[in-house]
Amino acid sequence: EADIYQTPRYLVIGTGKKITLECSQTMGHDKMYWYQQDPGMELHLIHYSYGVNSTEKGDLSSESTVSRIRTEHFPLTLESARPSHTSQYLCASSDPGQGIVGTEAFFGQGTRLTVV
Amino acid sequence: AQSVTQLGSHVSVSEGALVLLRCNYSSSVPPYLFWYVQYPNQGLQLLLKYTTGATLVKGINGFEAEFKKSETSFHLTKPSAHMSDAAEYFCAVSEAGTYKYIFGTGTRLKVLA
Repeated sequence: EADIYQTPRYLVIGTGKKITLECSQTMGHDKMYWYQQDPGMELHLIHYSYGVNSTEKGDLSSESTVSRIRTEHFPLTLESARPSHTSQYLCASSDPGQGIVGTEAFFGQGTRLTVV
Repeated sequence: AQSVTQLGSHVSVSEGALVLLRCNYSSSVPPYLFWYVQYPNQGLQLLLKYTTGATLVKGINGFEAEFKKSETSFHLTKPSAHMSDAAEYFCAVSEAGTYKYIFGTGTRLKVLA
């Protein structure tokens, strides 16, 4: 069965630390996404990738960066964490594929980040 | 630009009652529409989707939604609510060629015993 994994699930870290949130998928999907979700609020797209070596910023400005060196891996990095970065981060992937329209996005379980 | 509006951030229904969660979209081209459910501290799980063809789509857990182009709506319904339906529900839109998914603000469904 296809799956998408995020680690860690929960992270509490001090201000100024560098952190990397991991996201991996086993579906071979080309498209991957990072969403930021504050408690009880909508999802905001912060980064997306259409394939290896392709990354774009999303609709919500974020101080985080991403990389896509391998198809299955799409990590998100914060060089210096701040309390304003406290949020839930959700990773997703999709694969519209040639001739296939309207494919849904598959989501990981999320990483809840708290910066103290 | 595509967008999604979900009316009602909180909806309460009695167990066994009809569930109706509203979603309106804006899109310059025929959209692809999705409903997702999110349980506490979890990711999003697909309930159902509309791409082309039949405008009434059935999903998991007894949910269904109807695409109405004239009303630009994609409301989610379930005939009889169950306690396990209590969760956050998100409507999303995607346009062909963009490969991006835009989400509404979500509706928290509470089911009363």
